[in-house]
Amino acid sequence: DAGVIQSPRHEVTEMGQEVTLRCKPISGHDYLFWYRQTMMRGLELLIYFNNNVPIDDSGMPEDRFSAKMPNASFSTLKIQPSEPRDSAVYFCASSSLAMSSYNEQFFGPGTRLTVL
Amino acid sequence: GEDVEQSLFLSVREGDSSVINCTYTDSSSTYLYWYKQEPGAGLQLLTYIFSNMDMKQDQRLTVLLNKKDKHLSLRIADTQTGDSAIYFCAEKGGGSYIPTFGRGTSLIVHP
Repeated sequence: DAGVIQSPRHEVTEMGQEVTLRCKPISGHDYLFWYRQTMMRGLELLIYFNNNVPIDDSGMPEDRFSAKMPNASFSTLKIQPSEPRDSAVYFCASSSLAMSSYNEQFFGPGTRLTVL
Repeated sequence: GEDVEQSLFLSVREGDSSVINCTYTDSSSTYLYWYKQEPGAGLQLLTYIFSNMDMKQDQRLTVLLNKKDKHLSLRIADTQTGDSAIYFCAEKGGGSYIPTFGRGTSLIVHP
């Protein structure tokens, strides 16, 4: 398996623009997570899905952030409008309780977002 | 809520042992993990320990768990420059599927 795939790897945009980050989880995994990593706040869980259904979005910072999972192999995280304080590395991760009894999470390589 | 604390930086000399420490608050933790993040990459599971164990060894890695004090440590023997990375401690409570991550410890290995 290719692992968790994220695109783009780097995104530079201007304040006010819409940003869409994409993720393809590992085939067969039924949990998908979106994290944000910054120097100031460390690794933050934004939202997670189980079987394509959002379970907990309490980590989403505000209404400018939205996430969807239209099918088992694709998820998006959208920021509209983007602000400089959204600059961070965004990670997608997936897991499967059936495949890993100890709940290992598999992380993608991340998208480095810079909002000017 | 659950909390996982770890120091932010550790600097060691190549060939020495590294010990990264972590404390957590959830007394119902079932699994505890160490993830490694190399520069420019995502996190990758390094090792884990079940809460009914107090030690786990895997080649150069030794994990010690003191459940009474809610303290977890990762010892890397004969630390190499390739071990330079950020190490995240994480725990999963019995009532949750989702692990809680610490902020990560940056391990710097110098010659």
